[in-house]
Amino acid sequence: QVQLQASGPGLVKPSQTLSLTCTVSGGSISSGDNYWSWIRQPPGKGLEWIGYMYYTGSTYYNPSLKSRVTISRDTSKNQFSLKVNSVTAADTAVYYCARAGWSKDSSWYYFDYWGQGTLVTVSS
Amino acid sequence: QSALTQPASVSGSPGQSITISCTGTSSDIGGYNYVSWYQQSPGKAPKLIIYDVTKRPSGVSNRFSGSKSGNTASLTISGLQAEDEAYYYCNSYTTTSTFWVFGGGTELTVL
Repeated sequence: QVQLQASGPGLVKPSQTLSLTCTVSGGSISSGDNYWSWIRQPPGKGLEWIGYMYYTGSTYYNPSLKSRVTISRDTSKNQFSLKVNSVTAADTAVYYCARAGWSKDSSWYYFDYWGQGTLVTVSS
Repeated sequence: QSALTQPASVSGSPGQSITISCTGTSSDIGGYNYVSWYQQSPGKAPKLIIYDVTKRPSGVSNRFSGSKSGNTASLTISGLQAEDEAYYYCNSYTTTSTFWVFGGGTELTVL
């Protein structure tokens, strides 16, 4: 059973960098045909996909955030991380890490495992 | 504004059926059978309940079903139960640069 757990500071000051780490157990982030993603949810609002790291190490970001976001990984710890630069109050959200696993029927990918989410508040 | 359009809320009585719509374009729902639905209870992470438009992951009740017509996907929940009260989000692959796109979410209230 794959499990994901996001961790990081719950409070970040405006203009600083938000940094979160997702620790994965029960599966390797560097093998298997999976996309390891970050998704966020502002309080009382819907879900926004931030970006992914493919198991090969390649990345892709939502264009609305691309200039400020970096996803990286530490394969020795089976972790992948998110950094968001120059944060503002609009970046306040619950941040989820999730795996997009492959459907053998369609050869597409769906968010089948999610972490519990971690609330990050941007405030001075 | 979300790229996929869902009603903000729907409601139904126990035992009834409800349907939640999710409208996109030919660049997402209309062009591909890569639609999924997620159930989110308060304070919890979303849970995958439908993928490939119509398929259910193992362990998901057969009271949940999905369909698609043109640019609109739908989630139907039959035999409503109190435990179904939650938010529901649709998701699709998109050929626009966002790759994956979510709907704005629909709050289901079981009366």
